[in-house]
Amino acid sequence: DAGVIQSPRHEVTEMGQEVTLRCKPISGHNSLFWYRQTMMRGLELLIYFNNNVPIDDSGMPEDRFSAKMPNASFSTLKIQPSEPRDSAVYFCASSLKGGKLYGYTFGSGTRLTVV
Amino acid sequence: AQSVTQLDSQVPVFEEAPVELRCNYSSSVSVYLFWYVQYPNQGLQLLLKYLSGSTLVESINGFEAEFNKSQTSFHLRKPSVHISDTAEYFCAVSEVASGSRLTFGEGTQLTVNP
Repeated sequence: DAGVIQSPRHEVTEMGQEVTLRCKPISGHNSLFWYRQTMMRGLELLIYFNNNVPIDDSGMPEDRFSAKMPNASFSTLKIQPSEPRDSAVYFCASSLKGGKLYGYTFGSGTRLTVV
Repeated sequence: AQSVTQLDSQVPVFEEAPVELRCNYSSSVSVYLFWYVQYPNQGLQLLLKYLSGSTLVESINGFEAEFNKSQTSFHLRKPSVHISDTAEYFCAVSEVASGSRLTFGEGTQLTVNP
């Protein structure tokens, strides 16, 4: 298996632009998680899905952020409009049966820079 | 709700020295415990986990962690570290009876110096 695949690996955009991050989870995994990692705040859970349904989006910073999972093999995290404070590394992770037994498999991340 | 505290944000050690990375958790119910490792510019990788049974769990690269229920701790140890162990280490907890999510600690940066 290729693991969790995220694209792009790096994204540089101007403030105010829309940014879309993409994630392909491991085939057969039914839970998907979006995390944000910064030096100041560490690893923050933004949202997670079970069987393509959003379960907890309380970590989404504000309405500028939205996430979708239209099917079991694809998810997007969108920021519109982007701001410099959104600069961070965004990780997607997937797991089998919620992850509490098996842990998560993380992607390599998307490094977002908003200038 | 559960929480995790990693007591040291940075741990510098010399090569071949022993190391302990400390992790304490808080939960009112039974938990599963995990350690993840993050090498520079990579995602987190599962290092080891405690689910049940023996309280001492080991990884394939020489790390071990011991679940101590009375002290609510899950410290990570290695008797002799290598330069290649330099990375950030995250402790995580999930509740046995409910929920899907892992709660992560703030991370500990282990730096192994020659």
